[in-house]
Amino acid sequence: RKEVEQDPGPFNVPEGATVAFNCTYSNSASQSFFWYRQDCRKEPKLLMSVYSSGNEDGRFTAQLNRASQYISLLIRDSKLSDSATYLCVVNYNFNKFYFGSGTKLNVKP
Amino acid sequence: DAGITQSPRHKVTETGTPVTLRCHQTENHRYMYWYRQDPGHGLRLIHYSYGVKDTDKGEVSDGYSVSRSKTEDFLLTLESATSSQTSVYFCASRPRQGLRNTIYFGEGSWLTVV
Repeated sequence: RKEVEQDPGPFNVPEGATVAFNCTYSNSASQSFFWYRQDCRKEPKLLMSVYSSGNEDGRFTAQLNRASQYISLLIRDSKLSDSATYLCVVNYNFNKFYFGSGTKLNVKP
Repeated sequence: DAGITQSPRHKVTETGTPVTLRCHQTENHRYMYWYRQDPGHGLRLIHYSYGVKDTDKGEVSDGYSVSRSKTEDFLLTLESATSSQTSVYFCASRPRQGLRNTIYFGEGSWLTVV
């Protein structure tokens, strides 16, 4: 069983739409959580951390549900520039970061 | 950005030859990592380092070795390259332990084994 699982998509949405991704993790001892963004043939870049109480950064909202072991990312008012692959990341044992395979988002004009 | 550079960025090599990928960081980060990324598998940890000369295996370490003789450099060696090691390799680093400290990636090294 994979440590972190994501729906690979693609999610095809029009500009201005709201889109949500979920990610589940298997280890209940997981300690910290992040969303990364990866553009085609580029390195992953940190989008935002995910805090237990939920957190927002502009159009992006991240939520954590420890009881059900899932993390979500909500993107409001999608822009063409949001088109990318979004990676869910879970950390436990301090030194190890586990990545989901990513969810691909295509925002269409 | 963490100032991580990888070299070479692209390489084609023949099966059975040794290959070394270099990762250099200028941030004095303690922790460094090597990942490979393949379609359908996402990023998988090969090896990581928690200090000079301190390294440990990740989930896909077979066929790979690493060395860290200086804080800023982390080398990944494929002793005898195989076609299954064709992949994109990302180096990453992290400043220190702490729940809010995450990892930052280099630009990647594209390796093709023919």
